[in-house]
Amino acid sequence: DGGITQSPKYLFRKEGQNVTLSCEQNLNHDAMYWYRQDPGQGLRLIYYSQIVNDFQKGDIAEGYSVSREKKESFPLTVTSAQKNPTAFYLCASRGSGTASEAFFGQGTRLTVV
Amino acid sequence: QKEVEQNSGPLSVPEGAIASLNCTYSDRVSQSFFWYRQYSGKSPELIMSIYSNGDKEDGRFTAQLNKASQYVSLLIRDSQPSDSATYLCAVPMFSGGYNKLIFGAGTRLAVHP
Repeated sequence: DGGITQSPKYLFRKEGQNVTLSCEQNLNHDAMYWYRQDPGQGLRLIYYSQIVNDFQKGDIAEGYSVSREKKESFPLTVTSAQKNPTAFYLCASRGSGTASEAFFGQGTRLTVV
Repeated sequence: QKEVEQNSGPLSVPEGAIASLNCTYSDRVSQSFFWYRQYSGKSPELIMSIYSNGDKEDGRFTAQLNKASQYVSLLIRDSQPSDSATYLCAVPMFSGGYNKLIFGAGTRLAVHP
């Protein structure tokens, strides 16, 4: 089955902890994206990557970090510097052409306890 | 000015009516446009893509694009209660040689019996 897998589905973080959200795709897509969604809001871009070992900050990168060591994987770390991390996190992948469509994983819901 | 703008709604229509969802974008050179549907608590799913001026029909859905006005819309004919969801407009935009995918805030559609 081709697709994007995010894990875990639910994640709880204590104050001051770093946590890492996993995103894996087997669609052979070059581009991968991380978005944050707050209740009743749209998707805000955190980081994106067009090729392995290269990534760019989106609109709300502060308090987050990523890596892209493999084409299939684009993990997101929510650091303790992110003061309000409770949100729904969505990972997407997309082919390299401008007409390419993006596909999403099932999301990770992160809650600070 | 936001890069991709949508009316947040809610847009309420009776069952069987036509729902009209609108989106404007800021980047004049954008070439591709996507509509996603997102049910509450779920990840977005692609429903339509459009690349050329004019209309594109797929079942009960019609996407309309006017690049001169930087405007893209989605019409849903014979609206059903199952169409009740948030509809997100997405536009790939170039920034510093990189291609990022920007979403609007979404329009919440409510179809009532």
